[in-house]
Amino acid sequence: EPEVTQTPSHQVTQMGQEVILRCVPISNHLYFYWYRQILGQKVEFLVSFYNNEISEKSEIFDDQFSVERPDGSNFTLKIRSTKLEDSAMYFCASRRQTSTDTQYFGPGTRLTVL
Amino acid sequence: AQSVTQPDIHITVSEGASLELRCNYSYGATPYLFWYVQSPGQGLQLLLKYFSGDTLVQGIKGFEAEFKRSQSSFNLRKPSVHWSDAAEYFCAVVGTTDSWGKLQFGAGTQVVVTP
Repeated sequence: EPEVTQTPSHQVTQMGQEVILRCVPISNHLYFYWYRQILGQKVEFLVSFYNNEISEKSEIFDDQFSVERPDGSNFTLKIRSTKLEDSAMYFCASRRQTSTDTQYFGPGTRLTVL
Repeated sequence: AQSVTQPDIHITVSEGASLELRCNYSYGATPYLFWYVQSPGQGLQLLLKYFSGDTLVQGIKGFEAEFKRSQSSFNLRKPSVHWSDAAEYFCAVVGTTDSWGKLQFGAGTQVVVTP
């Protein structure tokens, strides 16, 4: 069964450094998402991406964040200058087309900012 | 404001006993409703979803959920839990007019299964 993959599974970085989290969505999916889950808190929407542009973003997704689909398979989340409060589990998700299609989630990348 | 509430942060259940997890939502119109499960070290896996029609929805792993419009609820049930059901369970919604389909999650319910 096709699945969403994410790399790395765990990333440790120093505050102020740039990180890039990578995701490979399911191949025939058209909508892509990033969510995050701070330890002990709920899963929060960050951004959705469709047709090579951001379709919606939350207030969390400020100028420090960016997303890109550099080729036909990868979908990346970049955090330009990490802060301690960016420490969280970051999930990538994709869905095929309509709102009723299932969003499939990757296993997540645990980001630790020191 | 739109919200999803899971009143129980933590539930302990004996193996073989029944399980019910509560979910209430506050939305302008009935949203699309989902239950996801997150096992330790795993991503989120969809258990079931409700869009319209029959209010009792069957999902994977023996789970079912019942939509009750009058109570704005979408509770998840399993008649007999297995040790492998120990996980965190998330209720989530998507607004029916939200063409981008972002999921809004509840806070989750941690389920512990005892022998």
